[in-house]
Parts: sequence; C-alpha cells; structure tokens
Amino acid sequence: GAGVSQSPSNKVTEKGKDVELRCDPISGHTALYWYRQSLGQGLEFLIYFQGNSAPDKSGLPSDRFSAERTGGSVSTLTIQRTQQEDSAVYLCASSPGTSGATDTQYFGPGTRLTVL
Amino acid sequence: AQSVTQLGSHVSVSEGALVLLRCNYSSSVPPYLFWYVQYPNQGLQLLLKYTTGATLVKGINGFEAEFKKSETSFHLTKPSAHMSDAAEYFCAVILPTTGANNLFFGTGTRLTVIP
Repeated sequence: GAGVSQSPSNKVTEKGKDVELRCDPISGHTALYWYRQSLGQGLEFLIYFQGNSAPDKSGLPSDRFSAERTGGSVSTLTIQRTQQEDSAVYLCASSPGTSGATDTQYFGPGTRLTVL
Repeated sequence: AQSVTQLGSHVSVSEGALVLLRCNYSSSVPPYLFWYVQYPNQGLQLLLKYTTGATLVKGINGFEAEFKKSETSFHLTKPSAHMSDAAEYFCAVILPTTGANNLFFGTGTRLTVIP
C-alpha cells in the first residue's frame, strides 16, 4: 500500500528565499507530524495536526516556520526567509489517530533542504 | 522534562554476534517507549514499542527490547547480527501525562556489522 510521501526529495535554495515542503499522509490517517533531522540538533518535533483540532505548534523554532493541513489530508510546511541553519532533512509522519500517543507513526522518506 | 540517552553513537559488531543498543530515559513517570530504525536515505521505520503490559517486547527483524522501570532503561537486542542490520537506530519516548503525542528522540546509534 502507499506510504507517506514527501516532495520534493531534495531542495536547494538561497538564503532569504521562501520554501514549501509537501507531505501526503497515508490515506485515512488523521494525525500528521513534522519533524526535522539535522546534524546539530538531531531529530526534533516541529508541529502536529490531529483532525480538525488546532495544531500543536510547540516545536516550531521561529515564526519563519508555519504549516497547514488542507482538507485533513495534505500538509505543507513553509519556511520563510530561509537561513543556513534551516538546512536539514524534514520528515513527515502520519498515524491513524485512533490511539493517541500509542499509535505507530509512519514516516516518509524526507525532504533534504540545503540553504546556500 | 523528558530526555532520552543513547549510550554509544557508534556500535560495531561482527556478523552473527549479539547486538545490544542502549537506551535510558529520564522521567518520573514511565513513558511510552519506541525504537525506530533508519536505513541509508530512507525514512524511519518502527522496530517495536512498549506502552503497557508485558515488559519484554518483540519487534520486527528479530529485535526485542525490555522495559526495566528500576533501571529506567529500554535496551534493544538481537541475538545474531546480520549485514542487513547496518543502520541508525533511534530510541524515542512519549510522556503520557503531558497529553502530547509527538516523539522525543535520542541522538541515535549507528550500527556497523563487520563481515
């Protein structure tokens, strides 16, 4: 079956530009997460969506980062005015949303962002 | 605050030898515990998880882990390493009392299997 997909797989941008990263979760999964994996910070949580509830944005590192989830499915993570420290692999995960914290999160392959 | 410590950023074992990857958590309340594996250029894949019940948890690919509350540990083991086990392994926790559902990861352990 189809897993979590992310696009693009690689993105190279110049400092100061805006970027959009896309995540398509597993069909039927109501919970969606964004994480970031970088050499300096390891794997860190960014934002969490569950159904129609207000997202948990507690992991977003600055107000340059935002995310939305349209129609309860596809999500877009936007980084404005990119900085070199934003270079990382951005991972998306989804889960069924039926068992809360004990649900298995299924990860996509990630988008590797390089800010020059 | 919750934290996860993985002892050893790199572990090397011979093919056929025991694999032991260590994970300790710091929390006054037992968390939910997870082990994920990341193969090169791939996303994370769940190996196993402990939420409640039996403290010895069996996962995919012959891996297992035991939750030891007294030691605040959740070490990952496999009796006999295969070349295909070479990957990076992440221990992660979720603290059930916070209401948060996001994973909090350790720094990872890269496993090398020597033929």
